[in-house]
Amino acid sequence: TQLLEQSPQFLSIQEGENLTVYCNSSSVFSSLQWYRQEPGEGPVLLVTVVTGGEVKKLKRLTFQFGDARKDSSLHITAAQPGDTGLYLCAGAEGYQKVTFGIGTKLQVIP
Amino acid sequence: ETGVTQTPRHLVMGMTNKKSLKCEQHLGHNAMYWYKQSAKKPLELMFVYSLEERVENNSVPSRFSPECPNSSHLFLHLHTLQPEDSALYLCASSQDRVIYGYTFGSGTRLTVV
Repeated sequence: TQLLEQSPQFLSIQEGENLTVYCNSSSVFSSLQWYRQEPGEGPVLLVTVVTGGEVKKLKRLTFQFGDARKDSSLHITAAQPGDTGLYLCAGAEGYQKVTFGIGTKLQVIP
Repeated sequence: ETGVTQTPRHLVMGMTNKKSLKCEQHLGHNAMYWYKQSAKKPLELMFVYSLEERVENNSVPSRFSPECPNSSHLFLHLHTLQPEDSALYLCASSQDRVIYGYTFGSGTRLTVV
């Protein structure tokens, strides 16, 4: 059973399109982290959201934490080939337990 | 050098070999972790060290043996591995509360033949 469900698992889009990926759980999290992982590399932390309803922006990326702190979304505006990668969400329960999703594999075609 | 550095980047070993993975962090963090990443599976936490003491061992087989000699270095000693142990092994570090996120190394791609 996947405790953190990410959808979609695969996404292939044209450069310039917008997209949203989702991270859902039945658990309440202290925080929700988003990472991007490129082939042959480790995940890189993009953002951490802590407060229910919180919205954070990182250039063309917008992250939202659900009001109940059980879900999150990542929206990318005008996707670029450099956005290609595996997007992982991770939920922290308490101060030490972190659960990762399987990830969304994004391909942006020039 | 900054961040979390892992060596080697790639490793091929036979089932009877003994090898070690090395991780070094230059961030002044006080917690270090080993994760296993396999295809189509979420990252699996293997070991946690906080202030150089092992605080978590998630039912990992004894053929994996961690060592943390100081707060900057972490090793994973491997012996008599199985082909199903082939995966990307990631080292990570964090400061105090992991709820704020990890800094990962680039990983070691391990193939057991």
